[in-house]
Amino acid sequence: DAGVIQSPRHEVTEMGQEVTLRCKPISGHNSLFWYRQTMMRGLELLIYFNNNVPIDDSGMPEDRFSAKMPNASFSTLKIQPSEPRDSAVYFCASSPRTVKTQYFGPGTRLLVL
Amino acid sequence: QKEVEQNSGPLSVPEGAIASLNCTYSDRGSQSFFWYRQYSGKSPELIMFIYSNGDKEDGRFTAQLNKASQYVSLLIRDSQPSDSATYLCAVNTHSGGYQKVTFGTGTKLQVIP
Repeated sequence: DAGVIQSPRHEVTEMGQEVTLRCKPISGHNSLFWYRQTMMRGLELLIYFNNNVPIDDSGMPEDRFSAKMPNASFSTLKIQPSEPRDSAVYFCASSPRTVKTQYFGPGTRLLVL
Repeated sequence: QKEVEQNSGPLSVPEGAIASLNCTYSDRGSQSFFWYRQYSGKSPELIMFIYSNGDKEDGRFTAQLNKASQYVSLLIRDSQPSDSATYLCAVNTHSGGYQKVTFGTGTKLQVIP
């Protein structure tokens, strides 16, 4: 199995631009998670999906952030407009139905100038 | 009070010694507990999980859980320089039929050759 796939791996953009992060979970996993990691705040859960349905988005910082999961093999996290304080590493993780362990993707390193 | 608390470290131990990493959590309803290892610039990877009170051993790693004290720990025996990383404690709580995962901020471990 290829594991969780994220793209792009690195993104540099200017303040005000739209940023779209992509994730392909491990096949057969029914839960998908988006995290943000910074030195100051550690690993924060932004949103998670169960069977493609958003379950808990209480971690989404504000309306500038949105996430979708149109099918079991694809999810996006969008930031519009982006701000310098959004600079962080964004991880996607997936989890199988029977065991609640999470498998993380390699992350997207976002820098907003 | 944070939901999951860890000492940020760094925790320095000599090669061959036992490293002891600790984590406390606030939700008494928590049911599953995980330890992830994260090397610098990499994504978290699962190393241990524990559901029941007591000890669980896997090679050089032992996870210990005490639900009454709301305390979970990770022991690393015969520490190696390759164990130098940040160790994240994660707590999984089931609420309304769905899971919520909260990570601690991590403890940085340095194994000195």
